[in-house]
Amino acid sequence: AQKITQTQPGMFVQEKEAVTLDCTYDTSDPSYGLFWYKQPSSGEMIFLIYQGSYDQQNATEGRYSLNFQKARKSANLVISASQLGDSAMYFCAMREVMTTDSWGKLQFGAGTQVVVTP
Amino acid sequence: GAVVSQHPSWVICKSGTSVKIECRSLDFQATTMFWYRQFPKQSLMLMATSNEGSKATYEQGVEKDKFLINHASLTLSTLTVTSAHPEDSSFYICSARPGSNQPQHFGDGTRLSIL
Repeated sequence: AQKITQTQPGMFVQEKEAVTLDCTYDTSDPSYGLFWYKQPSSGEMIFLIYQGSYDQQNATEGRYSLNFQKARKSANLVISASQLGDSAMYFCAMREVMTTDSWGKLQFGAGTQVVVTP
Repeated sequence: GAVVSQHPSWVICKSGTSVKIECRSLDFQATTMFWYRQFPKQSLMLMATSNEGSKATYEQGVEKDKFLINHASLTLSTLTVTSAHPEDSSFYICSARPGSNQPQHFGDGTRLSIL
């Protein structure tokens, strides 16, 4: 069953504007972590931001912030003041409680392609 | 910090060849590393979890005899695609994390093309 859902296959955003990328997740574990990664066309996966299930405050890292709504099981990424270099594929991922079976592995959503225009 | 190096970044070889991809954690030790496969315009699909000093744990549907994983040291895991065929052509990417509560850091990936 799909555990991470990203409903936006692609988005255009104008430079200097903010953009919100949607991510919903499904888990029955009380302890989990949510991650956002950026993948430019070159292929590398760049870690952006992390939110733990017990964190009281929404995570922020520079221009990235995570709108964590636990009851709704959503973890949307907000990119403020978009730059041309933000054009990339963005993946939401979840890590459930680490057990001997899971080893803390990540499950990824389908991704959202963001194109920033001048 | 938390740099993961993957080599080679790009390989083209003939059908039937075996190809080895290396994943190294350069500035931390990783008892666990992960191998993913990614088709164009798709998400990352976890293939296996590489455990130092023990057998890898493969995801359902991944042939362990086809994709051999060796994690001989705390800083190196290798993925060998044995007797590769054109359908094995893909982007392979590894990851590791410095600690259990740390995010996974990824290598730059390997683009494998089998002719």
